[in-house]
Amino acid sequence: LAKTTQPISMDSYEGQEVNITCSHNNIATNDYITWYQQFPSQGPRFIIQGYKTKVTNEVASLFIPADRKSSTLSLPRVSLSDTAVYYCLVGATGGSYIPTFGRGTSLIVHP
Amino acid sequence: SAVISQKPSRDICQRGTSLTIQCQVDSQVTMMFWYRQQPGQSLTLIATANQGSEATYESGFVIDKFPISRPNLTFSTLTVSNMSPEDSSIYLCSVSQGLTGNTEAFFGQGTRLTVV
Repeated sequence: LAKTTQPISMDSYEGQEVNITCSHNNIATNDYITWYQQFPSQGPRFIIQGYKTKVTNEVASLFIPADRKSSTLSLPRVSLSDTAVYYCLVGATGGSYIPTFGRGTSLIVHP
Repeated sequence: SAVISQKPSRDICQRGTSLTIQCQVDSQVTMMFWYRQQPGQSLTLIATANQGSEATYESGFVIDKFPISRPNLTFSTLTVSNMSPEDSSIYLCSVSQGLTGNTEAFFGQGTRLTVV
């Protein structure tokens, strides 16, 4: 199983763009990259997934370089409500997919 | 999507007793997972609950301590047996459809367990 490495914590201010990078040097050919967000006292919530290049949805963008050994979650114009822990997961999809969590990045957005 | 109802949301239990946590999903799902999350820590997978067969446990977790049932495609229970203070944690249920090309999993709100 590919191991992920993320910064333990990050600080930002309202209105700024936040980029959280995750390293996954041992990613396998069949693995997808997924990001989850977790607020205190809640279960994690799916944000975005990708396999290569760039993926964008209404919440975030995910940038994946050609070698796929890292990925960057980009949150545009963060607000106080984006304060949460963000997890990067790597794994195959389908019937063998088991969400496996690393340490995550604690993002604190300041006024 | 899937909506998960997890009960109880929290409990305080005496050491040596057992607690059964229920996970109800509003639709049939292929895969169900149980996690433990200790304060300030990440999620640790306990087991994958398989419908119609024994659960698959991760290293460090055993069936005698964490028996799991999954009688159908919408329901599962996790029992924390013979509890000690070290079992104090948040327990989370998660589901996934296990679709090719899809890695979206849904989580319950968790059960906050305190063992005294």
